[in-house]
Amino acid sequence: DAGVIQSPRHEVTEMGQEVTLRCKPISGHDYLFWYRQTMMRGLELLIYFNNNVPIDDSGMPEDRFSAKMPNASFSTLKIQPSEPRDSAVYFCASSRLAGGYEQYFGPGTRLTVT
Amino acid sequence: KQEVTQIPAALSVPEGENLVLNCSFTDSAIYNLQWFRQDPGKGLTSLLLIQSSQREQTSGRLNASLDKSSGRSTLYIAASQPGDSATYLCAVWNTGTASKLTFGTGTRLQVTL
Repeated sequence: DAGVIQSPRHEVTEMGQEVTLRCKPISGHDYLFWYRQTMMRGLELLIYFNNNVPIDDSGMPEDRFSAKMPNASFSTLKIQPSEPRDSAVYFCASSRLAGGYEQYFGPGTRLTVT
Repeated sequence: KQEVTQIPAALSVPEGENLVLNCSFTDSAIYNLQWFRQDPGKGLTSLLLIQSSQREQTSGRLNASLDKSSGRSTLYIAASQPGDSATYLCAVWNTGTASKLTFGTGTRLQVTL
């Protein structure tokens, strides 16, 4: 199994630009999670999906952030417009089931907004 | 709201030492607890998962214990090696918040030669 795949690994963009992060979960996993990691706030859950349906997006910081999962093997996290305070490492994770099953993390996308 | 704290924040030990990392959580109504390792610039690797009904799990040189009633977990690393140098994170699932994992603040471990 290839594990959770994320792209790009690094993204540098200017303030105001649109940024799209991509994730391919492990095949057969029904849950997909997007996290953000910063020095100040640690790891925060942004949103998660079950069977491609968004279940809880209460962690999404504001309307500039949106996430989609058009099918079981692909998800995107979009920031429009981007701001310097969005600079962070964004992780995607997947798990077979919820409520206590292991989550498997991708390598992350390091986003820098200048 | 669940809060997860890890002590110490950083730790440096010489190779070969046994060490203990601590994790505490404020709400004992958890499904399970998971320990992760994160290498610099990398993603998280799952080390051990303890179900709420279990008291410990072992994998190689790692042993994780869980005392749900007191809101504590420990990760014991035997005979530490330089390759163990990384940040260790614990995370808990709460029974009331479905699939959400709440992460601790992490312990940055350095094992020196």
